[in-house]
Amino acid sequence: DGGITQSPKYLFRKEGQNVTLSCEQNLNHDAMYWYRQDPGQGLRLIYYSQIVNDFQKGDIAEGYSVSREKKESFPLTVTSAQKNPTAFYLCASSIDSGVYGYTFGSGTRLTVV
Amino acid sequence: QQQVKQSPQSLIVQKGGISIINCAYENTAFDYFPWYQQFPGKGPALLIAIRPDVSEKKEGRFTISFNKSAKQFSLHIMDSQPGDSATYFCAAGLTDKLIFGTGTRLQVFP
Repeated sequence: DGGITQSPKYLFRKEGQNVTLSCEQNLNHDAMYWYRQDPGQGLRLIYYSQIVNDFQKGDIAEGYSVSREKKESFPLTVTSAQKNPTAFYLCASSIDSGVYGYTFGSGTRLTVV
Repeated sequence: QQQVKQSPQSLIVQKGGISIINCAYENTAFDYFPWYQQFPGKGPALLIAIRPDVSEKKEGRFTISFNKSAKQFSLHIMDSQPGDSATYFCAAGLTDKLIFGTGTRLQVFP
């Protein structure tokens, strides 16, 4: 079955450590996105990529980094520079780099202690 | 300019009733308006979507009403069921990304 796989589902890290969240898709979608979800704030765009080896900052990119070395993969690194990293992170993809038919993964809940 | 304002933040409806969630936007460049449904611990899933050249779209018990002049759109859930209890997000699309509203937590009681 085609879809987006985010791993792990739950992640705990100590403050000051970098952590990488995995996102893999087998939908052959061109575009991939990372959103952060916080209660009462909806989904906020962190980074997005429309083609391999290219990505753009979203609204809240500070303290995060990404790479897009393969079409299927779009990992997100939460660095120690991110002031408040505890959140639910969602990865999505869409065909033809457009906004139609976003498919989301099941998310990773990151807790930094 | 790129914000999408969503209300209410939470909504409690009795089974069989109508649930109404509203969204408003400022940027007239938006050309796609989807609604997503999210259950706890899961990613959002596309529920229904509309383009600005249409004033209403209905799929089963779900209807989007779109008012281009007022820059507002809303989701109506008819005959609401306990299984509809979830968080609903409106969104507005530019060419390469979606801007999401803040979400509405809907609870439908039997």
